[in-house]
Amino acid sequence: EAEVAQSPRYKITEKSQAVAFWCDPISGHATLYWYRQILGQGPELLVQFQDESVVDDSQLPKDRFSAERLKGVDSTLKIQPAELGDSAMYLCASSSDSSLLFFGPGTRLTVL
Amino acid sequence: GQSLEQPSEVTAVEGAIVQINCTYQTSGFYGLSWYQQHDGGAPTFLSYNALDGLEETGRFSSFLSRSDSYGYLLLQELQMKDSASYFCAVGNYGQNFVFGPGTRLSVLP
Repeated sequence: EAEVAQSPRYKITEKSQAVAFWCDPISGHATLYWYRQILGQGPELLVQFQDESVVDDSQLPKDRFSAERLKGVDSTLKIQPAELGDSAMYLCASSSDSSLLFFGPGTRLTVL
Repeated sequence: GQSLEQPSEVTAVEGAIVQINCTYQTSGFYGLSWYQQHDGGAPTFLSYNALDGLEETGRFSSFLSRSDSYGYLLLQELQMKDSASYFCAVGNYGQNFVFGPGTRLSVLP
């Protein structure tokens, strides 16, 4: 069964360092999402791609976060510099229609 | 803006039936979906409603009333493994999905 792949699964970093997360969506899914989920809360959209184009990045803290999907397939989310408040689960998801999302296993980020 | 409301916690016993409600305010509404998330895991899709009415998938059913901006997830014959967080999510035109705050379900023996 096709799955969304993410790496790393866990990342521990010190504040002010740079971190990067990678996501490979289900083959053929044009829409890719990065969500951030703080413990005990619902996922919050950071950025949405349609193929290689950004559709929505209104909630992305652009002073420190960047995301790209250069060839319209896999994607990278970067944080530089990381802050204590960035500790969260970073979830990548992909979709082929408007009814459901397929999530990857997530990257658990801890900023010390 | 867009907002969704869900109860924060629900507790039930094995074999019981539980209903998790979701109310929403949004523009460009396309459909309402439900996701299950176990501790430490990723959300997994459970059910989707684009039209008014009830959708049944095994022990899980989901209901939508577009005129009331309301939906619910119904879990029957509860099992211990159903202990998890449940999220409603609104799908908008443009394949934009907004999630609710989640309901933590505890199933007791």
